[in-house]
Amino acid sequence: GAGVSQTPSNKVTEKGKYVELRCDPISGHTALYWYRQSLGQGPEFLIYFQGTGAADDSGLPNDRFFAVRPEGSVSTLKIQRTERGDSAVYLCASSLTGVAKNIQYFGAGTRLSVL
Amino acid sequence: ELKVEQNPLFLSMQEGKNYTIYCNYSTTSDRLYWYRQDPGKSLESLFVLLSNGAVKQEGRLMASLDTKARLSTLHITAAVHDLSATYFCAVDPSGYALNFGKGTSLLVTP
Repeated sequence: GAGVSQTPSNKVTEKGKYVELRCDPISGHTALYWYRQSLGQGPEFLIYFQGTGAADDSGLPNDRFFAVRPEGSVSTLKIQRTERGDSAVYLCASSLTGVAKNIQYFGAGTRLSVL
Repeated sequence: ELKVEQNPLFLSMQEGKNYTIYCNYSTTSDRLYWYRQDPGKSLESLFVLLSNGAVKQEGRLMASLDTKARLSTLHITAAVHDLSATYFCAVDPSGYALNFGKGTSLLVTP
């Protein structure tokens, strides 16, 4: 497909468990972003990658959250010791470059439910 | 702290009517983005406004930007049911991280 792909689409886990969420950006897009959307809210920025490096991870809520993009394409968001408050939809977006005004294209998201 | 405020948050309107959604933001930004989100779906880019006075139109939707007033509007003309969705505005003063409003949930009824 030509769009941003996220897997799984839904993830149910128990409190304290570890989860990984995957994002496949649009081919050729060098910039990749993760956002978190809680019910009734707009997406909130988590982290921005330019190529393989995290250019800005200031939106990650705490050190239980970590993201990687080892080859500059697919990215994985990792959450350790999940808490019920982590339940949300995690959105991934990509853009051609990280330059301002480039449109960010969003995936359908992973809905994470922590029981 | 950067704030992006949309109003109204909920809007029910009849088909054929006109209405405007407002987006105010609290920091300097020359760029503003409008996205649409259908229930359970991802965000779809509608407009990118890149300068003061920018106006863009697509079908029944028209967006404008006043950077001096830190205000953008999304005007709906002769609404149809297919426009029912949640509309988000966002600014990116950092140049990459989008800061979204809470969204305006629009329902167009017959």
